[in-house]
Amino acid sequence: DTGVSQDPRHKITKRGQNVTFRCDPISEHNRLYWYRQTLGQGPEFLTYFQNEAQLEKSRLLSDRFSAERPKGSFSTLEIQRTEQGDSAMYLCASSSTGSGNSPLHFGNGTRLTVT
Amino acid sequence: AQKITQTQPGMFVQEKEAVTLDCTYDTSDPSYGLFWYKQPSSGEMIFLIYQGSYDQQNATEGRYSLNFQKARKSANLVISASQLGDSAMYFCAMREDRNTGFQKLVFGTGTRLLVSP
Repeated sequence: DTGVSQDPRHKITKRGQNVTFRCDPISEHNRLYWYRQTLGQGPEFLTYFQNEAQLEKSRLLSDRFSAERPKGSFSTLEIQRTEQGDSAMYLCASSSTGSGNSPLHFGNGTRLTVT
Repeated sequence: AQKITQTQPGMFVQEKEAVTLDCTYDTSDPSYGLFWYKQPSSGEMIFLIYQGSYDQQNATEGRYSLNFQKARKSANLVISASQLGDSAMYFCAMREDRNTGFQKLVFGTGTRLLVSP
């Protein structure tokens, strides 16, 4: 179990630029989640994949956001035309199939700063 | 809509003492799950403990226990014998079971715990 890996750890970008983050889940986990955490808040759910299928998207995920998990392994989260309000920590998590209390295993997150 | 409330922005405790972190929740779903996560300064969210709404006994995991009072809709985390490494943010979270198997969690705003020597 090598844990959930996220890349990059930090990203600074100018408003209007596009950014892409990568998440590698725990290898045997088929469920993958993206959450967003702003300063002083708890994480907020963005989207969920089971294998390669994106099964749920939050209303927080505007049209500028797109997430993929092309082969049911790693996932990418792209933000187009970034805005200052996108500045946050983007957390990826994975879990195994099973009961609903299978805990989420989170990565260290990607901290995005939009200037 | 489901909601998690953590009213303690910060808590201080001396090493080796016990501390209780408060969490209240609101949901209309009779079946739900409650979680506590720890977030050190490194940013990673670490799962600590889980309580199901139908579990008869309070959950325990090592030094962590969950004081579950269903009628009061509270799920307080108790950390016994605090250690310096327990200093971190602690988040309470809830999953409504209409999403069974799918961890769409709602988190509270967290409590920062500082353990002093």
